[in-house]
Amino acid sequence: GDSVTQMEGPVTLSEEAFLTINCTYTATGYPSLFWYVQYPGEGLQLLLKATKADDKGSNKGFEATYRKETTSFHLEKGSVQVSDSAVYFCALSDKRTANQFYFGTGTSLTVIP
Amino acid sequence: DAGVIQSPRHEVTEMGQEVTLRCKPISGHDYLFWYRQTMMRGLELLIYFNNNVPIDDSGMPEDRFSAKMPNASFSTLKIQPSEPRDSAVYFCASSLNRVSEKLFFGSGTQLSVL
Repeated sequence: GDSVTQMEGPVTLSEEAFLTINCTYTATGYPSLFWYVQYPGEGLQLLLKATKADDKGSNKGFEATYRKETTSFHLEKGSVQVSDSAVYFCALSDKRTANQFYFGTGTSLTVIP
Repeated sequence: DAGVIQSPRHEVTEMGQEVTLRCKPISGHDYLFWYRQTMMRGLELLIYFNNNVPIDDSGMPEDRFSAKMPNASFSTLKIQPSEPRDSAVYFCASSLNRVSEKLFFGSGTQLSVL
């Protein structure tokens, strides 16, 4: 079945450091891929998405490229800020399964000044 | 729009008691999802509805869990009787339609069963 695997945390970085959170997926069809972010005490929010191979999703300085050949969707940001501290979830959605989402286990990021 | 609204934000109860969690999806959204989040298992889909009809409840842990959606603007998740292992954050989410591909989450209900 469809699934998502993302790197385990927690991740601690200094402000302005480079961030990479790895995500790989398994899917039988052609899924859309997402990164959601969860700030403390809140629900998940969509951060970015990509709907087909080679698409790049971007938002708030974060980027991720849909790589079909490596079945990956790694999240990157060139210079993190303290306000980026949150839990990041990789997810996929396959339209064939009626909008069902499969989430990774989440990666906690803490950015220290 | 106020977004997805869940209540209560926090619930503390004793083992064996009935617990009811509530959710109001965003108006006009056709899909409603219930998720459970724990440290051990991450985010798990429990059940989802389309146009108020349960489509897939294979994620519901056991018969103690039940969910209803009596109309387009309201859903409940009930646990009866509750057990300490049910302690988790329960999220409700909604999406516009089959192709919208974006979930809108509520703020969650933090449930503690003592």
